[in-house]
Amino acid sequence: GENVEQHPSTLSVQEGDSAVIKCTYSDSASNYFPWYKQELGKRPQLIIDIRSNVGEKKDQRIAVTLNKTAKHFSLHITETQPEDSAVYFCAASRNNNDMRFGAGTRLTVKP
Amino acid sequence: GAGVSQTPSNKVTEKGKYVELRCDPISGHTALYWYRQSLGQGPEFLIYFQGTGAADDSGLPNDRFFAVRPEGSVSTLKIQRTERGDSAVYLCASSRGAGIQFFGPGTRLTVL
Repeated sequence: GENVEQHPSTLSVQEGDSAVIKCTYSDSASNYFPWYKQELGKRPQLIIDIRSNVGEKKDQRIAVTLNKTAKHFSLHITETQPEDSAVYFCAASRNNNDMRFGAGTRLTVKP
Repeated sequence: GAGVSQTPSNKVTEKGKYVELRCDPISGHTALYWYRQSLGQGPEFLIYFQGTGAADDSGLPNDRFFAVRPEGSVSTLKIQRTERGDSAVYLCASSRGAGIQFFGPGTRLTVL
């Protein structure tokens, strides 16, 4: 089955700097890769996703890149703000059905 | 409209007891998913339903876990003979077909 690895497990940046979180997956049939943000005690919320037919997607300060050959994808957050502090999870699935999550990255943005 | 809801929000039980956790998906969402999230970990897939049938139950850890969705809407996750290792937050999500999954607030299960 699918196995998703995520790193780093913790990331601390200064406000205004960029943050990058990386994930690798094992199942070459996976074709949908969402990223979720989870604040303490809250439910995971989708922030951006990408499908295997594109290599990059951007939404304001957030972008995701996908390298299907290497089976890895990354989340990029630019101009970080303290409210970006949360745990971020990547996931991989075939057609958004059997989603497998990474272990999460705790991002801290210091003012 | 209303999002995914889950009840109870917290459940404390004793080892060996039976528990039921309920999920109300977003109206019109045909797919429903159950995950388990332990402290400091990502959500772990348990089972997903397409309509009334379990399309994939490969994530259920053992036969003490069972889930139903008899009318294709509300789903119940049932855990028999609970063990301390079952303690976790149980998350439910729903989607319109193979669309984006929206998560509920979770049920925090504590087995004493």
